[in-house]
Amino acid sequence: DIQMAQSPSTLSASVGDRVTITCRASQDIGNWLAWYQQKPGKVPKLLIYKVSSLESGVPSRFSGSGSGTEFTLTISSLQPDDFAIYYCQQYNTYRTFGQGTKVEIK
Amino acid sequence: EVQLVESGGDLVQPGGSLRLSCAASGFSFSDSWMSWVRQAPGKGLEWVATILHDGTAKYYVDSVKGRFTISRDNAKNSLFLQMSSLRAEDTAVYYCAKDKYGDYKDWGQGTLVTVSS
Repeated sequence: DIQMAQSPSTLSASVGDRVTITCRASQDIGNWLAWYQQKPGKVPKLLIYKVSSLESGVPSRFSGSGSGTEFTLTISSLQPDDFAIYYCQQYNTYRTFGQGTKVEIK
Repeated sequence: EVQLVESGGDLVQPGGSLRLSCAASGFSFSDSWMSWVRQAPGKGLEWVATILHDGTAKYYVDSVKGRFTISRDNAKNSLFLQMSSLRAEDTAVYYCAKDKYGDYKDWGQGTLVTVSS
């Protein structure tokens, strides 16, 4: 099974900060990686698919990059609405989610 | 507009069974792969199972193999998850999700399954 490891688990940042979250796969997953945002009590929201494709309606401050086994989600300028938990997910072989990264207010 | 509405969540004793349903509308259900994803209280997301559009193939996370069965009724635009031999660790909100290419844009609101004596 493919394992997904996100880092950090928690990230403290301020509005306006550039934020980067890393996701590592236990084996090559090509470009089959997605990122989600989840707020308390809410359903996960798809932000990015196929590593770097921005889902419709998602602000352009979100971007994704990487290939093979190492991937990043970057928020170029953190906004108040962005404090949430972020998950990566591989869909190269079945599906696996990372454990999540909580972005909290510094 | 895509709508996914789960039902069937309940409190069940360890070792018991439960059947979850997901009513789909707003898209071509019979052309869509579908999945169940769960989230234990205060924990992360866990993929549970996926079924192809015609039901000819089904995939499961190792922890539910042999205990859970995913199925669908394309005539009724419905997805199901039959769960048996339930354990405390199966306690979670279960989401029905429309499989895009393996990623999930559309989710239901979830149904809570609690396994406890």
